This record gives sequence, C-alpha cells and structure tokens, in this order.
Amino acid sequence: TQLLEQSPQFLSIQEGENLTVYCNSSSVFSSLQWYRQEPGEGPVLLVTVVTGGEVKKLKRLTFQFGDARKDSSLHITAAQPGDTGLYLCAGFPRTGNQFYFGTGTSLTVIP
Amino acid sequence: DVKVTQSSRYLVKRTGEKVFLECVQDMDHENMFWYRQDPGLGLRLIYFSYDVKMKEKGDIPEGYSVSREKKERFSLILESASTNQTSMYLCASSIPAGELFFGEGSRLTVL
Repeated sequence: TQLLEQSPQFLSIQEGENLTVYCNSSSVFSSLQWYRQEPGEGPVLLVTVVTGGEVKKLKRLTFQFGDARKDSSLHITAAQPGDTGLYLCAGFPRTGNQFYFGTGTSLTVIP
Repeated sequence: DVKVTQSSRYLVKRTGEKVFLECVQDMDHENMFWYRQDPGLGLRLIYFSYDVKMKEKGDIPEGYSVSREKKERFSLILESASTNQTSMYLCASSIPAGELFFGEGSRLTVL
C-alpha cells in the first residue's frame, strides 16, 4: 500500500489549459515536497510546504498544503509544453525518518 | 553546481550476477538514499544512510545491500540479480529532512 496517492496518474492536455494534481494520504506530514522529473533525469525539487493551509506560488504553479497536513495539490495555469514531465509529491511523516513518495502524475502538454 | 553522480546510466546483467551501483555526491551531505522507480509505484526507498558506516532499511530492502565507507559515496549491491530487479535506480543525498538531490538514474535490465 502507498502512503501517498496521487491523481490522476496520467494527464494529457492542450497548451493553455489549466490543471490540478492531487496528493492524498491518511497520515499527517511535517512537510511535503513536490518534484518534477523529466525523461532521463532525476527528480528536481519544485517546492517545500510545511504549514497547514500554506499556499506557495512558483510562476504559473500554485502549491497548497491541506489544513490538516494530510494532502496537497498542485495547480498549473496556462500549461506549456515545457511543463511536460512526471510530478511527484513526497511527504515527511510527523513520526517518521524518511520522505515517502507518491505514485506520480505523468503530464503531457500538447502544443 | 551541486552534483550527485551515478556510475552507470544503463546496465544489462544476467540472472544470478552480482551488481554494483555506485553513487557519489559533492555536497558533504550526511544523508544518502537509494530508491527504485517503477511505473505507477513512484519511488520506493531501498536503503538509506545518515552517516558513514551507518545504514537503515527502507521499504523494500530484500535482495539488496549497501555500503558507505566514505561520506561522499554510497553503493548499492545486488548479490544475485533477479529479473524482478529490473528497474530504474535513483541515488539521492540531502541534509536531514531537507531537499533531496538526485542523480540521473541507473537503468538496470536483468535477463
């Protein structure tokens, strides 16, 4: 069983559309990170959120940490082909000693 | 530029062979990790190390061992490779509970 479930698993959209990716769990996390991975590369950190209800913006990407610190979302506005990649959330449980990764969302933005 | 370097990008081995995957980081990080990545399963932690000569089992340690003789180097060993170990292997390093810096990955095929 996965500690973190992401949805959707696959997403294919046209350039200019908006999208939201979800990362859900029944566990409480001290912090939650979002990574993007491009083909042939390792994941690269996009953002870390630590406070319940926190919202962070990175250009057209908006990240939100749930009030109860059990879930998170990533919203992309006006998607571009350069946003194509695998998006991974990773949570550090309040009583844990490692990050647990979500199942991943593979995004394709069609020009 | 910070860097995590994995020794081999692609390997093909036969069932029963011993496999070494090497990882070196130049950031003086205490923590190092080995993950395997499979479609639909995200990243699963095999082993991690928070100090030289220290190691901790992750979620899927069976069939693997690790070695950390120097702070900058963390090796993953498959004593007797099996076909179900065909996967992408990712090494990462970090400060405690901090951002994970990943290598480019090693894609292992076991025939």
